[in-house]
Amino acid sequence: SQQGEEDPQALSIQEGENATMNCSYKTSINNLQWYRQNSGRGLVHLILIRSNEREKHSGRLRVTLDTSKKSSSLLITASRAADTASYFCATDDYDYKLSFGAGTTVTVRA
Amino acid sequence: DTAVSQTPKYLVTQMGNDKSIKCEQNLGHDTMYWYKQDSKKFLKIMFSYNNKELIINETVPNRFSPKSPDKAHLNLHINSLELGDSAVYFCASSPLTDTEAFFGQGTRLTVV
Repeated sequence: SQQGEEDPQALSIQEGENATMNCSYKTSINNLQWYRQNSGRGLVHLILIRSNEREKHSGRLRVTLDTSKKSSSLLITASRAADTASYFCATDDYDYKLSFGAGTTVTVRA
Repeated sequence: DTAVSQTPKYLVTQMGNDKSIKCEQNLGHDTMYWYKQDSKKFLKIMFSYNNKELIINETVPNRFSPKSPDKAHLNLHINSLELGDSAVYFCASSPLTDTEAFFGQGTRLTVV
């Protein structure tokens, strides 16, 4: 089934630095979404980008989508300790479900 | 007010037992889901319901039976629990099938 795969698996950065993570998927999608999961908590939706969009911004988040390469990236600028979490991409491929990858674990060091 | 709430948050039980996890959403959404997150954080869809109708059953063993008494509730009943069922189970809902999903806080199931 359709799956997003995040890269890298883990990322450790200093507070104030930018964090970039990538997602690749296999087949055509309706939209691609990014979620954050803090330790022991549920997933929180961050941003949704549709297949006809190339870039989207929300606060310190910037998402790009390249449908020709079947890939997306999430950039978090000026990271904070509170950004420490796991980040997941999820693809919506027209079939009543979101397909998730295993996520990127981001640690922001003070 | 909690948008998507699951109970219980933690569940420890012995192999062979039957257990249920309840989920309720107060967002008025038409679509609800159950996901399973394993120890490596990989999230996999189990079931998808739209207006109380089962849309997706993603090759889940028959021991797992979802029940949607109304649009706001989607419960998960598990029979004859096995060690491999240990995981975190998430309920989620969305207004439409191509929009963001709202997740509950998860139920950590441990089978001993």
